[in-house]
Amino acid sequence: GNSVTQMEGPVTLSEEAFLTINCTYTATGYPSLFWYVQYPGEGLQLLLKATKADDKGSNKGFEATYRKETTSFHLEKGSVQVSDSAVYFCALSDLRGLTFGKGTHLIIQP
Amino acid sequence: GAVVSQHPSRVICKSGTSVKIECRSLDFQATTMFWYRQFPKQSLMLMATSNEGSKATYEQGVEKDKFLINHASLTLSTLTVTSAHPEDSSFYICSARKPTLNQGEQYFGPGTRLTVT
Repeated sequence: GNSVTQMEGPVTLSEEAFLTINCTYTATGYPSLFWYVQYPGEGLQLLLKATKADDKGSNKGFEATYRKETTSFHLEKGSVQVSDSAVYFCALSDLRGLTFGKGTHLIIQP
Repeated sequence: GAVVSQHPSRVICKSGTSVKIECRSLDFQATTMFWYRQFPKQSLMLMATSNEGSKATYEQGVEKDKFLINHASLTLSTLTVTSAHPEDSSFYICSARKPTLNQGEQYFGPGTRLTVT
């Protein structure tokens, strides 16, 4: 079946540091790929998405490129802020719905 | 926009009672809604998929007689936890999908924190 693997956290960075959260997937066909963010005590919010190979999703300074050759969708941001502290989930969309990775807890220290 | 609401946001109930959680798509019609369960510091576990007007499809290991799902309209799905026990305490999140040609993204509700005492 389909699966998503993302780096385990927590990931702790200083403000203005460069962020990379790795995500790789296993899937049949050509799924859409997503990054969702969950702030403390809240539900999930869509951060960005890509629907086909080589697409780049971007939002709020975050970017991720759909790499079919490496089956990856790594999340990056050039300069993180304290307000980016949250749990980030990589996911793919298939016929059943969304398959999530286990989430990466990101902590940004001032 | 695509806003999904859940009610209640928090509920505490006694063991043996039943609890109903509502999920509404506020500004779009959702032919498919999903119910997830999230344990502390863990990922979301898909419980079931519900399509308007038909029976829900439950994931393996999820008891359909315990977690009753009703998708009565294109904007409302309900999850009823029957005869709740402390181990049912969790964060329940619903999501809704727009009827588009592609599978597309899901729009998530803010979640419901259930505590069974």
